[in-house]
Amino acid sequence: DAGVTQSPTHLIKTRGQQVTLRCSPKSGHDTVSWYQQALGQGPQFIFQYYEEEERQRGNFPDRFSGHQFPNYSSELNVNALLLGDSALYLCASSLVLSQNTEAFFGQGTRLTVV
Amino acid sequence: AQKVTQAQTEISVVEKEDVTLDCVYETRDTTYYLFWYKQPPSGELVFLIRRNSFDEQNEISGRYSWNFQKSTSSFNFTITASQVVDSAVYFCALSEAPSIGNQFYFGTGTSLTVIP
Repeated sequence: DAGVTQSPTHLIKTRGQQVTLRCSPKSGHDTVSWYQQALGQGPQFIFQYYEEEERQRGNFPDRFSGHQFPNYSSELNVNALLLGDSALYLCASSLVLSQNTEAFFGQGTRLTVV
Repeated sequence: AQKVTQAQTEISVVEKEDVTLDCVYETRDTTYYLFWYKQPPSGELVFLIRRNSFDEQNEISGRYSWNFQKSTSSFNFTITASQVVDSAVYFCALSEAPSIGNQFYFGTGTSLTVIP
């Protein structure tokens, strides 16, 4: 049973560029959440997708956008990258029938903006 | 407002010592869930435990145990007879009333180093 998989694992981008990160949820899960984890900090909630719609959003600017596909996989897009966007981006999947009370996390994508 | 506080930034113990990681939370909800996750250097958050707000019974799983006290809004985690493999960053997290669109609130983590 594959867990949550994220790609790529590492990425280096230049300020002002755009980036797309990808996530495949754990088999059977239908909800995907994205978190940003800056160095030395705890993960911060970006947004959550269910039924291809954004259901809740954290305190992140519109430069951060996402998408969920019919197969439940998801993408996180960040436009106009800033140095401060350098972080580990974690994807979590859960099941709405279990009321999203248990989340499984991927290994993350480490984004470096130079 | 929801908040999770892990006051211990870094802890070092010698192998076989017991260690307790503290977690204090704030929420206005009466229904909520508390979690502990382990984050090894690889980055993945590994699920350790989930407790709901209506179940204050302490839990033991092998060398791990958890003490949930609603009266002090704490959910502490103890590792007994620590091992080098326990070295990691540990996060406490809070999730409020289950629903579509709920989020996890994480503490800042406690970095545990177990010295052989």
